[in-house]
Amino acid sequence: KQEVTQIPAALSVPEGENLVLNCSFTDSAIYNLQWFRQDPGKGLTSLLLIQSSQREQTSGRLNASLDKSSGRSTLYIAASQPGDSATYLCAVCAGGYQKVTFGTGTKLQVIP
Amino acid sequence: NAGVTQTPKFQVLKTGQSMTLQCAQDMNHEYMSWYRQDPGMGLRLIHYSVGAGITDQGEVPNGYNVSRSTTEDFPLRLLSAAPSQTSVYFCASRETGETQYFGPGTRLLVL
Repeated sequence: KQEVTQIPAALSVPEGENLVLNCSFTDSAIYNLQWFRQDPGKGLTSLLLIQSSQREQTSGRLNASLDKSSGRSTLYIAASQPGDSATYLCAVCAGGYQKVTFGTGTKLQVIP
Repeated sequence: NAGVTQTPKFQVLKTGQSMTLQCAQDMNHEYMSWYRQDPGMGLRLIHYSVGAGITDQGEVPNGYNVSRSTTEDFPLRLLSAAPSQTSVYFCASRETGETQYFGPGTRLLVL
């Protein structure tokens, strides 16, 4: 059974800092990994999708990397802003029917 | 495109009542899923469908039924609501191996 872990569970940083969020998974036979953002009381917004054949994806100030062999992904946020405050979730797609397993998330607070 | 829509946004039920949470997508996606989100538990897969007429159980299927008669719709039925089913429910859709899109969620309170 795929297990997805995100550490830390919460993170508080001053505005302007670069930061890294971590995601680890137990079964490396994955199709892809996706990072989401969730604001309080809202749904999930997709940030980046990395296919199993890719090593990284970039969108603006966000960069996500994938190391399948070690079962790890990182989400790098450059020059953090208060608007980045949210919970960040990673989700791994694997298995015969490509089921998606979520981590429990990292709650990020960027302090002005 | 409306994307993924869910109704209702909020619902209060009494223990033992039944109800259906609606989900629809207009992107012609094959894959649709239902998740529940509880504090400290993350999102857990309830049921999923890989196409019209095909459904399967996820991690926490007990107490829920689904059907997929069309590509667009994937309703979730609570047969006899229990307080343990108080949660936020999200529906999602995607193409195989591609980005997953989520609906805005339904907040369910079972008294």
